[in-house]
Amino acid sequence: ETGVTQTPRHLVMGMTNKKSLKCEQHLGHNAMYWYKQSAKKPLELMFVYNFKEQTENNSVPSRFSPECPNSSHLFLHLHTLQPEDSALYLCASSQDGGALNQPQHFGDGTRLSIL
Amino acid sequence: DQQVKQNSPSLSVQEGRISILNCDYTNSMFDYFLWYKKYPAEGPTFLISISSIKDKNEDGRFTVFLNKSAKHLSLHIVPSQPGDSAVYFCAATTASKLTFGTGTRLQVTL
Repeated sequence: ETGVTQTPRHLVMGMTNKKSLKCEQHLGHNAMYWYKQSAKKPLELMFVYNFKEQTENNSVPSRFSPECPNSSHLFLHLHTLQPEDSALYLCASSQDGGALNQPQHFGDGTRLSIL
Repeated sequence: DQQVKQNSPSLSVQEGRISILNCDYTNSMFDYFLWYKKYPAEGPTFLISISSIKDKNEDGRFTVFLNKSAKHLSLHIVPSQPGDSAVYFCAATTASKLTFGTGTRLQVTL
């Protein structure tokens, strides 16, 4: 398997649930990213991990909790989400220590719906 | 405050003609620009990029032009092909910030 794989592809959850999104990259990259894409809005960078260390957190609410156990895996733990958190969540990876001007390889995303 | 704007939500071009997608930015600190393409139900795919020290970068059918004084960049696709039908995003970066536009949907017709 190659590229960036995200699971699940679709997720429906209630506001009181706890769930996790998973991302795995098979490209040998050392930086991984989480993005949120809401309808009619630009992609918003949420978190950046460089060599497993978080280097960016763009004012994301604490109900989103990232975890990067190694350079190939990235999780986004979700708890007590709000309806406005319904969106497409994209994971990406890149080489060269997570410099933001490097091309990123994206997964196909998880479509999240909060009831 | 949207610092990267793609003012045309959609564009239709005939196969074989040139497609020109535009992007404007307001932050003069942006020093690198990238274009991504996205098909439905797939993640974005990197296309081409340009540093602020250049005004043109070419890769096959794709050319990006940067006009720093106008804070404007454009992506030219020539000749356009039906497989180019997708949503195109421009993105701009500083050392610590990465900002995307809202995208332009390109439809290449036969």
